[in-house]
Amino acid sequence: AQSVTQLGSHVSVSEGALVLLRCNYSSSVPPYLFWYVQYPNQGLQLLLKYTSAATLVKGINGFEAEFKKSETSFHLTKPSAHMSDAAEYFCAVSAKVQTGANNLFFGTGTRLTVIP
Amino acid sequence: NAGVTQTPKFQVLKTGQSMTLQCAQDMNHEYMSWYRQDPGMGLRLIHYSVGAGITDQGEVPNGYNVSRSTTEDFPLRLLSAAPSQTSVYFCASSYSGNGYTFGSGTRLTVV
Repeated sequence: AQSVTQLGSHVSVSEGALVLLRCNYSSSVPPYLFWYVQYPNQGLQLLLKYTSAATLVKGINGFEAEFKKSETSFHLTKPSAHMSDAAEYFCAVSAKVQTGANNLFFGTGTRLTVIP
Repeated sequence: NAGVTQTPKFQVLKTGQSMTLQCAQDMNHEYMSWYRQDPGMGLRLIHYSVGAGITDQGEVPNGYNVSRSTTEDFPLRLLSAAPSQTSVYFCASSYSGNGYTFGSGTRLTVV
């Protein structure tokens, strides 16, 4: 079975500080991993994805994530937080089920607050 | 290119009423899914489809029904609404299952 654990339901950082959002996964097969961002009252927007190519993945808005198989982790980072980064972030793992579909399984989310 | 379109954006139902949440995509994606989002629980998969005429249950299918008669449309039906179905519902589609595009959501309240 595949699952995702996001450590910390709320993270606060100062503007200009490093952003680190943690995600650990469990998968019986090589996973595809994703980070999505959700701004208030909006849908989910794909930030970046890992699909077994380079382990360091760069996404939009200056975010990146590193796939570490030994730690089963896919943490999201950004060197310098902006006020506009305040949102909820979801880590997700893609798993192939019996029908052949690659369904997404989500973590419970981390709400990022940026303090001016 | 509209992407994934969900209607309505907001809905209030009385317990026991039925309704259909609409989802349409114009990207010729084979994969389509319905999720519900509840505070502190992330997004949970309700039903999904890998192509026209093919649907299957996700993690939380009870009380919901789907059909996929065309590639473009994937409606979600609530058969007899219950307060526990108060949630935000998202439809998503994907070409290969490796990265989904989400609609803007339907906020449903059941009273």
